Amino acid sequence: NAGVMQNPRHLVRRRGQEARLRCSPMKGHSHVYWYRQLPEEGLKFMVYLQKENIIDESGMPKERFSAEFPKEGPSILRIQQVVRGDSAAYFCASSQNHYEQYFGPGTRLTVT
Amino acid sequence: EDQVTQSPEALRLQEGESSSLNCSYTVSGLRGLFWYRQDPGKGPEFLFTLYSAGEEKEKERLKATLTKKESFLHITAPKPEDSATYLCAVLIKAAGNKLTFGGGTRVLVKP
Repeated sequence: NAGVMQNPRHLVRRRGQEARLRCSPMKGHSHVYWYRQLPEEGLKFMVYLQKENIIDESGMPKERFSAEFPKEGPSILRIQQVVRGDSAAYFCASSQNHYEQYFGPGTRLTVT
Repeated sequence: EDQVTQSPEALRLQEGESSSLNCSYTVSGLRGLFWYRQDPGKGPEFLFTLYSAGEEKEKERLKATLTKKESFLHITAPKPEDSATYLCAVLIKAAGNKLTFGGGTRVLVKP
């Protein structure tokens, strides 16, 4: 049973470009979460989605960030017009219930 | 304000030297407390879930315990491969399904 998959593993973008991060949850999991880990900081919640619904986006920056989890395909975290401060590791997690969350390997975004 | 604090920030151990990591929490209502292990450049790996005070879970050299104010992760006779950052996280009743993480404890086990 494959774990949570994320791609790309590493992403380099110039300031002002768009970044698209993808996450495929574990088989049978219908809950997807995105977290961000800034350099020298802890993991911070960004958004919680179920299929076709955003359940909780209280941790998402108000501008430039959006997330979706379509009926078919992976969950996407999209960052428009990236800035240097967006450089971080972005982790996706999935769960079958409302408790244990299993994390993917992360996407490391570098903005130059 | 809900808070999760881990101590110490870093821990250097000799192989075989047992020790404990602390996770203290002040939250409005605990639904669950989770321990993860994170290796450099990787995602957090789930270790344990604890739901209520007095509960204990064990896996190989690791044992997690929970009280009403804190959790401990005991590492018994650690080996170099136990070197990692250990993360504590909580689910809070009023906060939906988002995990609130502590800052982590970096453990280095020297042979």
